[in-house]
Amino acid sequence: DTGVSQNPRHKITKRGQNVTFRCDPISEHNRLYWYRQTLGQGPEFLTYFQNEAQLEKSRLLSDRFSAERPKGSFSTLEIQRTEQGDSAMYLCASSLLYSMNTEAFFGQGTRLTVV
Amino acid sequence: GIQVEQSPPDLILQEGANSTLRCNFSDSVNNLQWFHQNPWGQLINLFYIPSGTKQNGRLSATTVATERYSLLYISSSQTTDSGVYFCAVLGATNKLIFGTGTLLAVQP
Repeated sequence: DTGVSQNPRHKITKRGQNVTFRCDPISEHNRLYWYRQTLGQGPEFLTYFQNEAQLEKSRLLSDRFSAERPKGSFSTLEIQRTEQGDSAMYLCASSLLYSMNTEAFFGQGTRLTVV
Repeated sequence: GIQVEQSPPDLILQEGANSTLRCNFSDSVNNLQWFHQNPWGQLINLFYIPSGTKQNGRLSATTVATERYSLLYISSSQTTDSGVYFCAVLGATNKLIFGTGTLLAVQP
């Protein structure tokens, strides 16, 4: 296993378009997180899954954002009707719950630019 | 929710100097991690350190959970150490909360 993988690495889209990002976690990890990071800021929590269940969503996650993890493996994050304020780095992380070690590992991120 | 503060916000060093970065958190935590964010934006794991002291080469970290702080030590700094350092804590809500980061610039 080569770690957490995110695709695409970069996405440029026109305002109003829909975009979807994919995250493939480390295979045995049952917890998956999505974060958003804007320039000069630390990563901000968006949502997380435990297996296929979405357990928490941040207030940052407007109704234009939706995330799924259908079989408890990979996850997708969709943004509908993109706005310029959605431009950011979107980061995915995974970890193993119910373990003595809950260390989280991050993917390379997807950088979104809305023009 | 848990508040995580890092200091200093910015740090400029000459190559070869030592530095200490601090992370304070406002409540009990189950996990604390230190990350280095590379120029391409990826978060590189440095330490998983809910308590105690660990060392990895020129880097070491200490977490005193009862006093709610962690320290990251960088010795004999190199230009490749430049970048942003984040601490992140896992609290009772089971989500990682990040600090504001320390921007380190190591000059040759």
